[in-house]
Amino acid sequence: SQQGEEDPQALSIQEGENATMNCSYKTSINNLQWYRQNSGRGLVHLILIRSNEREKHSGRLRVTLDTSKKSSSLLITASRAADTASYFCATGPILTGGGNKLTFGTGTQLKVEL
Amino acid sequence: DARVTQTPRDKVTEMGQEVTMRCQPILGHNTVFWYRQTMKQGLELLAYFRNRAPLDDSGMPKDRFSAEMPDATLATLKIQPSEPRDSAVYFCASGPGGGGSNTGELFFGEGSRLTVL
Repeated sequence: SQQGEEDPQALSIQEGENATMNCSYKTSINNLQWYRQNSGRGLVHLILIRSNEREKHSGRLRVTLDTSKKSSSLLITASRAADTASYFCATGPILTGGGNKLTFGTGTQLKVEL
Repeated sequence: DARVTQTPRDKVTEMGQEVTMRCQPILGHNTVFWYRQTMKQGLELLAYFRNRAPLDDSGMPKDRFSAEMPDATLATLKIQPSEPRDSAVYFCASGPGGGGSNTGELFFGEGSRLTVL
């Protein structure tokens, strides 16, 4: 079963609007990552937030983490048509020697219309 | 520009045939992962390696799937015999592993789309 579940499954907005996607997970985490996948392409890492962080920013991305609720949110501000993609959260245990064994959520399909 | 390279990008085959997918991880990365993506199941972890050694392949159907790393520049995923239910996009991802500044970020290839008729 998926470690993370994204909500909503699909989101359609107008260019310039903000998009918010949520992720819930089941077990304790060391970090949580967000990835983007354009249609027909591989996943691309967007941002990582550690379990002792509550909020992190990267450009137009803002990620929050609430470990007490086992949830995270990804906010994309001033969306652009190029942001149209599927967005996944991912968590997993730290492997001995480093790296994560990541399990991905179900994804949110974002469509940004002109 | 370092990237994970996967071949083939697309493969159409008939049930019962052997399929081999190849992956060249980013040079210097010591962890390699195989994922399968379908509409129904999403992204599933099939197997992963560290320093070429298989650490976990519990996500793979053992009777027909096998994953290997003959050397540090090549990972393979083989299906024999293939079945229609194996139709999916198979992704390879590599990560730097290690401690210190390691973030656990994975770098994905573009995937191999497999269709088994």
